Amino acid sequence: DVKVTQSSRYLVKRTGEKVFLECVQDMDHENMFWYRQDPGLGLRLIYFSYDVKMKEKGDIPEGYSVSREKKERFSLILESASTNQTSMYLCASTHQGAVSEAFFGQGTRLTVV
Amino acid sequence: GENVEQHPSTLSVQEGDSAVIKCTYSDSASNYFPWYKQELGKGPQLIIDIRSNVGEKKDQRIAVTLNKTAKHFSLHITETQPEDSAVYFCAARNSNSGYALNFGKGTSLLVTP
Repeated sequence: DVKVTQSSRYLVKRTGEKVFLECVQDMDHENMFWYRQDPGLGLRLIYFSYDVKMKEKGDIPEGYSVSREKKERFSLILESASTNQTSMYLCASTHQGAVSEAFFGQGTRLTVV
Repeated sequence: GENVEQHPSTLSVQEGDSAVIKCTYSDSASNYFPWYKQELGKGPQLIIDIRSNVGEKKDQRIAVTLNKTAKHFSLHITETQPEDSAVYFCAARNSNSGYALNFGKGTSLLVTP
C-alpha cells in the first residue's frame, strides 16, 4: 500500500517558534509538494521539489522554507511561527510524468498560539 | 499562472439523486484534470482524472466531462449514496510548466438519506 506519511496529525506551537513539519513517501517519487488548506480557500501551494536539494516556490511561500536532503523526505519549516499560519498542511508526492497521480498524506493541523 | 474556479461551494442532494460539480480553468495549455475526494480527517484521494485529449471518462457511478474550447470540466456522480458525502476538489495541471496541481476551492457535498 503506497504511503505518504506526515509526522504529526496535530501540533500546537507558540508564536515565534521554529516549526518543522516532516513528510516521508515510500513510492520513490521524484516530486514532492506542500499545500496549505484553509476553509473557503481550497489547497494553496507553498513549495515543491522535483529532486533532492531542489526547491521551487509555490503561490504562498512567504514565511516558509523547505528542505529535501533525501528523495523520500520533504520538510516544511516555519522560521518564526505566526498565528496566521494556523492551518491544515498537506504533503503530496508524484512521479514525474504529465498525468501522474498525486498521493497525499493525512495532513497536519497546526495551531499557533 | 493557472486559476481554477469551482462551483458550487456546497451541494446537498437526496440519496439516489445525481450531483454535478463544475470547474473552469484559465490556462489553455493545461492538459490534465484530476478530481479528488477528501473525507473528514483524511488527505485528498484521487477518484477520477481526464487528459486533454479525451472528452469524457466514466468509472461506475462517477464521470468527468471536459470541454477544452470553453475551458471547463465537470464531475458527475449518479445514484448518490451517503458515503459520497465529502469535500471534492477539482484541479488542473499544465505539464509543460511543471508538475504542481492547481486546485479549485472545493465543494462540500452532503447526501441525505
